[in-house]
Amino acid sequence: LAKTTQPISMDSYEGQEVNITCSHNNIATNDYITWYQQFPSQGPRFIIQGYKTKVTNEVASLFIPADRKSSTLSLPRVSLSDTAVYYCLVGLISDTDKLIFGTGTRLQVFP
Amino acid sequence: NAGVTQTPKFQVLKTGQSMTLQCAQDMNHNSMYWYRQDPGMGLRLIYYSASEGTTDKGEVPNGYNVSRLNKREFSLRLESAAPSQTSVYFCASKGLTWDRVVGTEAFFGQGTRLTVV
Repeated sequence: LAKTTQPISMDSYEGQEVNITCSHNNIATNDYITWYQQFPSQGPRFIIQGYKTKVTNEVASLFIPADRKSSTLSLPRVSLSDTAVYYCLVGLISDTDKLIFGTGTRLQVFP
Repeated sequence: NAGVTQTPKFQVLKTGQSMTLQCAQDMNHNSMYWYRQDPGMGLRLIYYSASEGTTDKGEVPNGYNVSRLNKREFSLRLESAAPSQTSVYFCASKGLTWDRVVGTEAFFGQGTRLTVV
């Protein structure tokens, strides 16, 4: 499993765009990048997953440069309800592999 | 579609008591996981099961045992509870993403808040 490094915490204000970067220097050829979101007192939930370039869904965008040694989760126009912990995971997308979460990035959105 | 169901939601144990946390998923997933999350911390993997009949240690397996009863159910047992095991326990299963992109995602239960006194 590739080790990941993310900022411990970030602050933002409502309406701003938030970009959370994850470093994964030893990512393997077959590894995918996946982001999860965890609200207080709840289990994490899947946000987005990608292999290269850019992936966008209704919640967020994921930017992956050509060397794939980092990735950026972009949350457009955050609201108070986006206050959560965001986890970056790197690994195979098989349905049988170990799933290790790091400490994540605690995002606090202010009014 | 219930997803991942954990029981109980809350439990208080005395030091030395034993108990089993139950987890069931109805999504026909191969992989299931048990995590613990201490206050203000990230999730730490206790045990996981890649398929029915197999289990493997995670990051913090000491003091726990697991059983993959069948494809749906994955239980976590504390044989002799200790105050250091006070935590929120999450069960998860992993399978194909719901959306149109080929990939996998984990689905989590609502958690079990365990206090050992």
